[in-house]
Amino acid sequence: AQSVTQLGSHVSVSEGALVLLRCNYSSSVPPYLFWYVQYPNQGLQLLLKYTTGATLVKGINGFEAEFKKSETSFHLTKPSAHMSDAAEYFCAVSDPQGAQKLVFGQGTRLTINP
Amino acid sequence: DTGVSQDPRHKITKRGQNVTFRCDPISEHNRLYWYRQTLGQGPEFLTYFQNEAQLEKSRLLSDRFSAERPKGSFSTLEIQRTEQGDSAMYLCASSPHQTGYTFGSGTRLTVV
Repeated sequence: AQSVTQLGSHVSVSEGALVLLRCNYSSSVPPYLFWYVQYPNQGLQLLLKYTTGATLVKGINGFEAEFKKSETSFHLTKPSAHMSDAAEYFCAVSDPQGAQKLVFGQGTRLTINP
Repeated sequence: DTGVSQDPRHKITKRGQNVTFRCDPISEHNRLYWYRQTLGQGPEFLTYFQNEAQLEKSRLLSDRFSAERPKGSFSTLEIQRTEQGDSAMYLCASSPHQTGYTFGSGTRLTVV
């Protein structure tokens, strides 16, 4: 079985500061890993994904994440926060085989202070 | 390609009524998924179709829930005899063979 733990249900940073959202996963097989963003009353938008290859993955809107197998982590970072980054962020894991269904973490709400 | 479309966006229903939601995936995507998201939680997998075949169902999908994907195109999710605990956002997503889900905007169900 796969699982995801997002450390911190709520993160608050100042505009222009570093954003760091933490994600740890558990998987019995080499996983695919994802970060999604959700704005109020909207669906989920893919920020970035790791499947194979380079462990540092760059996504949209200046976000990036690094897959660290030894730490079973896939933390999301952005060097400089913008007000428009305020949203809910979800980390997810999937098994590369079969249905490739996503198992999501509980989410982290990111607030940006002016 | 207009993305994944879900209808309706919002549904308010009385307890005990039946409701049906529709999802139109991206046309060339053969995989279709339904997820449910309750307030303050991450989405949870409900069911998966490859073309018209329903290949996997979660234990969350009780016998009051049924999903179809006739002809491998649009999909419907029906909930019979709705309960207050069914109140949630129902999300549809589609995907081609490889990874890369595209989610719809969801249908928010409120059971009163």
